[in-house]
Amino acid sequence: ILNVEQSPQSLHVQEGDSTNFTCSFPSSNFYALHWYRWETAKSPEALFVMTLNGDEKKKGRISATLNTKEGYSYLYIKGSQPEDSATYLCASAGGTSYGKLTFGQGTILTVHP
Amino acid sequence: DGGITQSPKYLFRKEGQNVTLSCEQNLNHDAMYWYRQDPGQGLRLIYYSQIVNDFQKGDIAEGYSVSREKKESFPLTVTSAQKNPTAFYLCASSGLGGSTDTQYFGPGTRLTVL
Repeated sequence: ILNVEQSPQSLHVQEGDSTNFTCSFPSSNFYALHWYRWETAKSPEALFVMTLNGDEKKKGRISATLNTKEGYSYLYIKGSQPEDSATYLCASAGGTSYGKLTFGQGTILTVHP
Repeated sequence: DGGITQSPKYLFRKEGQNVTLSCEQNLNHDAMYWYRQDPGQGLRLIYYSQIVNDFQKGDIAEGYSVSREKKESFPLTVTSAQKNPTAFYLCASSGLGGSTDTQYFGPGTRLTVL
């Protein structure tokens, strides 16, 4: 079983702050890295799928980078808003080309107004 | 509206009973997945299926069984052999089941064993 680690486990920020968190994954046999946002009482929702070393994706105020050689990805949120409060999950599709994802435990973000 | 439905939302089971969780999708996806979430842990894969009438064990398949008789449906049975079944269960689907395919999740079923 792959070991995917996310840090920090939880984060509290003020509205307007920018923040970032980390996902670490085994760099061998890497295929893809997924980021999901999971709001309370809703289903997890896809943010990004990243495959190439140096890849950078952006969606509004949220962006992500990928380093496959050292096995980490950063998720950045610029100017956090209360509606960004959610659990952010990363998942690695490593060791197989099939969609068998190994998830990290998530980072719980709370944005205070 | 296209999407994934899971039922029921909450399920209570007595020890020793089997129980089946429903998952239906109308996204025309080939691949479907079952995950389990426990507090403080990531989603863990129970079973997945990339085509009708075929499925593979995930990382924690013991005590669970599945079937995939129709493309739209992937029910999960939690058997009495599952030692600690109380958890939140999520179903997902994706297009062809490749590593870069986005997975779309249902709303989940919370199972409690009394």
